[in-house]
Amino acid sequence: DGGITQSPKYLFRKEGQNVTLSCEQNLNHDAMYWYRQDPGQGLRLIYYSQIVNDFQKGDIAEGYSVSREKKESFPLTVTSAQKNPTAFYLCASSHGGLPTEAFFGQGTRLTVV
Amino acid sequence: GQQLNQSPQSMFIQEGEDVSMNCTSSSIFNTWLWYKQDPGEGPVLLIALYKAGELTSNGRLTAQFGITRKDSFLNISASIPSDVGIYFCAGLIQGAQKLVFGQGTRLTINP
Repeated sequence: DGGITQSPKYLFRKEGQNVTLSCEQNLNHDAMYWYRQDPGQGLRLIYYSQIVNDFQKGDIAEGYSVSREKKESFPLTVTSAQKNPTAFYLCASSHGGLPTEAFFGQGTRLTVV
Repeated sequence: GQQLNQSPQSMFIQEGEDVSMNCTSSSIFNTWLWYKQDPGEGPVLLIALYKAGELTSNGRLTAQFGITRKDSFLNISASIPSDVGIYFCAGLIQGAQKLVFGQGTRLTINP
């Protein structure tokens, strides 16, 4: 079955540590996205990539980094520079360069302890 | 950033009632998407709209792309308990490459 997989589902991190969230898709989608969701709020775009080896900052990129070395994979690193990292992180992908129909993974809940 | 105004923020209804929610913006959109999110899960695409005036149904769900291209609504008929969740609208603004999301409508159903 084709789909988009995020791991882990839950992640705990100590303050000052970097942590990497995994996102893999086997839908052969060109574009991939990372969103952050805080309680009671909509989704905010962190980074997106329309093609391998290329990515762009979204609306809230500070304190985050990404790579797109393979079409299937778009890992997100939450660095110690992110002041408020506790949130629900969602990865999405879409066919073609535009997010005309973005499909989402199941999310990773990151908690900083 | 660009803003989508989604309303209402929350709804408390009885099972069997119809539901209506909408999104509006001052920007012109090329695409409207409606998603449903269950607690602790990622959003699932319900309906995609691509043309002004387009009216699309998916079972008990009906959504329309506004004629002005600045708004969209989602209707749910004869609500059932599994309709509970958060519904998000999302739009692709003309000339942009990023989706803009509404703040969500939280639907609660009393049996």
